[in-house]
Amino acid sequence: GQNIDQPTEMTATEGAIVQINCTYQTSGFNGLFWYQQHAGEAPTFLSYNVLDGLEEKGRFSSFLSRSKGYSYLLLKELQMKDSASYLCAVRGNTDKLIFGTGTRLQVFP
Amino acid sequence: DTEVTQTPKHLVMGMTNKKSLKCEQHMGHRAMYWYKQKAKKPPELMFVYSYEKLSINESVPSRFSPECPNSSLLNLHLHALQPEDSALYLCASSQDLWVGEQYFGPGTRLTVT
Repeated sequence: GQNIDQPTEMTATEGAIVQINCTYQTSGFNGLFWYQQHAGEAPTFLSYNVLDGLEEKGRFSSFLSRSKGYSYLLLKELQMKDSASYLCAVRGNTDKLIFGTGTRLQVFP
Repeated sequence: DTEVTQTPKHLVMGMTNKKSLKCEQHMGHRAMYWYKQKAKKPPELMFVYSYEKLSINESVPSRFSPECPNSSLLNLHLHALQPEDSALYLCASSQDLWVGEQYFGPGTRLTVT
């Protein structure tokens, strides 16, 4: 079967660093995406990993280990506007995007 | 322009009504997608169009009817919906079928009464 696991909720303090983990078991692997979604809004693309290693984009970084079926999204210098849900999505061998249930991050002052 | 637009933003309809959701993109993307998202759940794929042809129908009930009039437009026609169909309906597009990231529109918040 297809399974993507993320923590349901996380909290952090403004200015801190937070790591959101994602583990997956899918039929095949053709890439992993991270999306940010504010309440009631559309998901916006954050990052894409298809090879092992770290991809850095400003305050956000994403890491992938294909052998472990594991990824994380690292958010640095947290801001209040980073309070949102973070969706991990895997493209399996059918190429469809399989979304995790999302991690709701709350940033406190 | 990396924008996908959707209209209307909000829609309330009765179970006997017929309505349509519209989606538009001008990025030259050849693949367009409809997703349904319930509160606190991830998006669920409904339909996929590639080069204006229906490529995937995820066993969606026939009360939902997609249409792709041209490469920039995607419609979702709604008829005889049920209250459990109330959800956020998201449109997305990508460069080609499953190629590149998907750009999502802001969604239509649908309430069926």
